Amino acid sequence: DSGVTQTPKHLITATGQRVTLRCSPRSGDLSVYWYQQSLDQGLQFLIQYYNGEERAKGNILERFSAQQFPDLHSELNLSSLELGDSALYFCASSVVTGGTETQYFGPGTRLLVL
Amino acid sequence: QKEVEQDPGPLSVPEGAIVSLNCTYSNSAFQYFMWYRQYSRKGPELLMYTYSSGNKEDGRFTAQVDKSSKYISLFIRDSQPSDSATYLCAMRAQGGSEKLVFGKGTKLTVNP
Repeated sequence: DSGVTQTPKHLITATGQRVTLRCSPRSGDLSVYWYQQSLDQGLQFLIQYYNGEERAKGNILERFSAQQFPDLHSELNLSSLELGDSALYFCASSVVTGGTETQYFGPGTRLLVL
Repeated sequence: QKEVEQDPGPLSVPEGAIVSLNCTYSNSAFQYFMWYRQYSRKGPELLMYTYSSGNKEDGRFTAQVDKSSKYISLFIRDSQPSDSATYLCAMRAQGGSEKLVFGKGTKLTVNP
């Protein structure tokens, strides 16, 4: 168990809908990352937050948005869902020790868009 | 050309075999190299972490980085059925962005 929690575990929805995925980082970790994992694209970095502020952006679509709250939990909002958005969504939190950053991944949310 | 290339396999070996997993990359700015292990229906977990070129050993696992060839490897000695998982390489540049770039992963099955 990495200490990172994600809810829900599974989500089934229809095209055009909006969903919110939730992530709680490990205690004390200030950084939260969001990733999308699909069979054809592999694990793709979406966005990073650090202590409530957006820090880095990857291949995140405009239909997707995220935020990190004062208690450091984060939410990823996916709107106008398309079939191609079906994937595993992971969040990770990180800690820097001795100049080395380690990311710890949550168990993921499996999203199926029908 | 993708930044990180990894043969997806699948790779099937008998128990006790030596396994070699590899990734190539194109971005010469990459300095930090990682291997993650992902069991089915689980999140990736960090297995090995190396900085720049060289070898690093941890038990049955050895990570090698050859920056001149832009090639990294993970060796698993005396492979066990519990090693059956997907192995993802990941790397990032030094300084500034913490963005990790992942390979697509190699699915390994170790048969008893």
